[in-house]
Amino acid sequence: KAGVTQTPRYLIKTRGQQVTLSCSPISGHRSVSWYQQTPGQGLQFLFEYFSETQRNKGNFPGRFSGRQFSNSRSEMNVSTLELGDSALYLCASSPTGGASYEQYFGPGTRLTVT
Amino acid sequence: AQTVTQSQPEMSVQEAETVTLSCTYDTSESDYYLFWYKQPPSRQMILVIRQEAYKQQNATENRFSVNFQKAAKSFSLKISDSQLGDAAMYFCAYIIGGATNKLIFGTGTLLAVQP
Repeated sequence: KAGVTQTPRYLIKTRGQQVTLSCSPISGHRSVSWYQQTPGQGLQFLFEYFSETQRNKGNFPGRFSGRQFSNSRSEMNVSTLELGDSALYLCASSPTGGASYEQYFGPGTRLTVT
Repeated sequence: AQTVTQSQPEMSVQEAETVTLSCTYDTSESDYYLFWYKQPPSRQMILVIRQEAYKQQNATENRFSVNFQKAAKSFSLKISDSQLGDAAMYFCAYIIGGATNKLIFGTGTLLAVQP
């Protein structure tokens, strides 16, 4: 079974631009969560989608948004990029909702904002 | 507040020796799950071991085991017979039980394995 895939793996953008990152979960998984990893703030939860609905949201500004499609693939969008948005963005999928299920992480997208 | 504290930013161990990574957490919930994740230089986050808070027995996965002290809110990871491939950043994390997948992570411990 293929693992979680994220595209692109690396991205360089300029301040003020917007960016869309994609995450394809493991086949059959319906929950996708997004995390931001930076040296200063560590790993922080962005949001979670389950069956095309946002189920939980972290403490991030409205510039960060996401969505999930009927095939469970998810995208996250960051508008009006700031230098501080430079980070590794990780997505994770799990079979269904619920804390008892393991989350499988993708390799991440490294975003650099200049 | 929901927090996870890893007080050891860096640790070092000799190959074949044993090392213990510390983790404490803070939650007022009674239903939660605890995890140790490993992130090697490739950046791929890999689950090492998990523990259900309602279980008293400490979880074990091959060379990895935990010491779960619920009253003290402590969840340490012991790596036995350390191997060069164990070198990585280790994150302690938990999820509150229920319909959510929100992981709360600690700041990580960078483990070096010396040959």
